[in-house]
Amino acid sequence: KAGVTQTPRYLIKTRGQQVTLSCSPISGHRSVSWYQQTPGQGLQFLFEYFSETQRNKGNFPGRFSGRQFSNSRSEMNVSTLELGDSALYLCASSRNQRQGNSPLHFGNGTRLTVT
Amino acid sequence: AQTVTQSQPEMSVQEAETVTLSCTYDTSESDYYLFWYKQPPSRQMILVIRQEAYKQQNATENRFSVNFQKAAKSFSLKISDSQLGDAAMYFCAYRSANRDDKIIFGKGTRLHILP
Repeated sequence: KAGVTQTPRYLIKTRGQQVTLSCSPISGHRSVSWYQQTPGQGLQFLFEYFSETQRNKGNFPGRFSGRQFSNSRSEMNVSTLELGDSALYLCASSRNQRQGNSPLHFGNGTRLTVT
Repeated sequence: AQTVTQSQPEMSVQEAETVTLSCTYDTSESDYYLFWYKQPPSRQMILVIRQEAYKQQNATENRFSVNFQKAAKSFSLKISDSQLGDAAMYFCAYRSANRDDKIIFGKGTRLHILP
C-alpha cells in the first residue's frame, strides 16, 4: 500500500509569490491534515479536512488555505509569501477523523524556502 | 486550551543504554489519547506508541514503553537498548477523545545515539 505522497519535495519561491503544495493520502484514508514545521515553533497545525470539508483550522493568517478533492487528495495554498513562511510543510492522513486514536500517517514533507 | 511540553530540547545516550524522554501536558478533559512520534533525518514522521487515557496499563511496543501518570499529566517515553537507528526527533502529542479536535504536538526532543 502506497504511503502518503507529498509533492514537490523542495520548492524555492520569492517573496510575494504564491505556492501550491499537494498531498495524496493513503488509499482509504479520508482525513488529511497539514502542519508547518520550523526549528523555533516546532509542529504547528494548519488545517484538517475530512470528506472535502474543513473540520479544524489552526491560528494561521488567511494567506494559508487548503482544499480537499473527492478522491481525498488535498492541496495547500499560500499566497503573498513572506520570508517567515520558509518551513517544512507536512501532510498526514488518517482513516477516520472522528476517532481520536486513529494514528496519523505522514508524508515526507515539502521543504519551502522563500527568498 | 490544551498544551504539550517537552522540556528536553536535546538528549544523548550511549548505544545499548536506556533513555527516557519527558512529556507533560495540560488538559481539563478526562478522555484523550497520547502519542509519541519519531522523525528521523529522512523527515517522515512515524508513530512510535500510543496510549488511551482510560487505560491504566502503560503501553509497550518492543523496546519502547511509556510511563503514563494521569494525575501528574505526565507521559514519558523509555527507549531500552538504544540503537543507532533510534537517533531522531521525538514528538509527544495529545488529542481529545471527546471532540473532533486537532492533535497538539510538543516542540520535540532531539535524541542522539553515541556509538
